[in-house]
Amino acid sequence: DGGITQSPKYLFRKEGQNVTLSCEQNLNHDAMYWYRQDPGQGLRLIYYSQIVNDFQKGDIAEGYSVSREKKESFPLTVTSAQKNPTAFYLCASGTGEDYGYTFGSGTRLTVV
Amino acid sequence: KQEVTQIPAALSVPEGENLVLNCSFTDSAIYNLQWFRQDPGKGLTSLLLIQSSQREQTSGRLNASLDKSSGRSTLYIAASQPGDSATYLCAVRTGGFKTIFGAGTRLFVKA
Repeated sequence: DGGITQSPKYLFRKEGQNVTLSCEQNLNHDAMYWYRQDPGQGLRLIYYSQIVNDFQKGDIAEGYSVSREKKESFPLTVTSAQKNPTAFYLCASGTGEDYGYTFGSGTRLTVV
Repeated sequence: KQEVTQIPAALSVPEGENLVLNCSFTDSAIYNLQWFRQDPGKGLTSLLLIQSSQREQTSGRLNASLDKSSGRSTLYIAASQPGDSATYLCAVRTGGFKTIFGAGTRLFVKA
């Protein structure tokens, strides 16, 4: 079955450490997105990519980085510059403006 | 700037009741509106997608309507069940691959 796989499900980061969240899709979607979800707030866009080897900053890109070397993969790195990284991270994919989004199951990142 | 608001933030109803969740947006220039369901600690599951040219979409006990001129969408759930308990989010797709999400309505259906 087609879908989006995020890993790991839970991730713990020490202060000053970079961590990478994985997102893989087999839906053949061109566009992929990373969102951050905090309690009581709507999803906020971190980065998005419309095609391979191209990506754009979203509303809260500071302290994060991404790459898009393959159509299927869009990993997100949370760097030590992100001062408040504890949150639920969601990856999504889509194709064309007339179509909706498909989401992965999320990664919960906690700073320890 | 597009803003999406969902009211109420939380709702508790007895099993079997029909209910309506509301989503309002400030800019009527949208491509589509999508309703999602989110269970605790899980990702978002798409329920219904309404294109800007459509007035409503139906899936089983769910019916979503769209009124662009008034900036409103409603999600109607018929004969609610305890399994419907979740957070429901609406998302408005604007131009340039931009989508704005509401903060969601947390629904609790009591058995």
